[in-house]
Amino acid sequence: DTGVSQNPRHKITKRGQNVTFRCDPISEHNRLYWYRQTLGQGPEFLTYFQNEAQLEKSRLLSDRFSAERPKGSFSTLEIQRTEQGDSAMYLCASSLALGTNGELFFGEGSRLTVL
Amino acid sequence: QQPVQSPQAVILREGEDAVINCSSSKALYSVHWYRQKHGEAPIFLMILLKGGEQKGHDKISASFNEKKQQSSLYLTASQLSYSGTYFCGTEMISGAGSYQLTFGKGTKLSVIP
Repeated sequence: DTGVSQNPRHKITKRGQNVTFRCDPISEHNRLYWYRQTLGQGPEFLTYFQNEAQLEKSRLLSDRFSAERPKGSFSTLEIQRTEQGDSAMYLCASSLALGTNGELFFGEGSRLTVL
Repeated sequence: QQPVQSPQAVILREGEDAVINCSSSKALYSVHWYRQKHGEAPIFLMILLKGGEQKGHDKISASFNEKKQQSSLYLTASQLSYSGTYFCGTEMISGAGSYQLTFGKGTKLSVIP
């Protein structure tokens, strides 16, 4: 399977704990996005990488969130000191750059539940 | 800037047509359309680049009016498989020169027999 892979698929944690999600994009894709989605809402943009460079970060993203994409391959999204409001589905997507090749391929998502 | 979608929800009988609209207050580079079924990841439908183009795939087509910063998705002769939530994503060029794709809140489409 050469699609976008996300791990873990589900994570239940207690408030205040740190969690980390991993995304493995399609190998030749240089753009990688993280989105957050809550029930009944559209995917909310969190951050975006082109290769290893983090080019955009949502102003809604607090300092507790950090993302990396070392070497322009897989990416990690870490949430420190989790809060109940962080409970959501975290979606990763990858694409080729721009134009008609800009289709986003989404992973299955990592569902976070903060108790 | 999140695009605005309308309607929020629509119920169709098989064979009926529907239009979903997406508008933005910012100049757009492109518009994406995705469909998401319950519990699944969003699936790509089509991209429209600026230039007022129109695209179609089977009985689903879309238009992009760059001047009005609006896009519409047309579903013709709807099938049960069309049910799901449709999201438009608008791609803008940021001040830093990079591209950001922002999704609307979605339009829930239900097709009934």
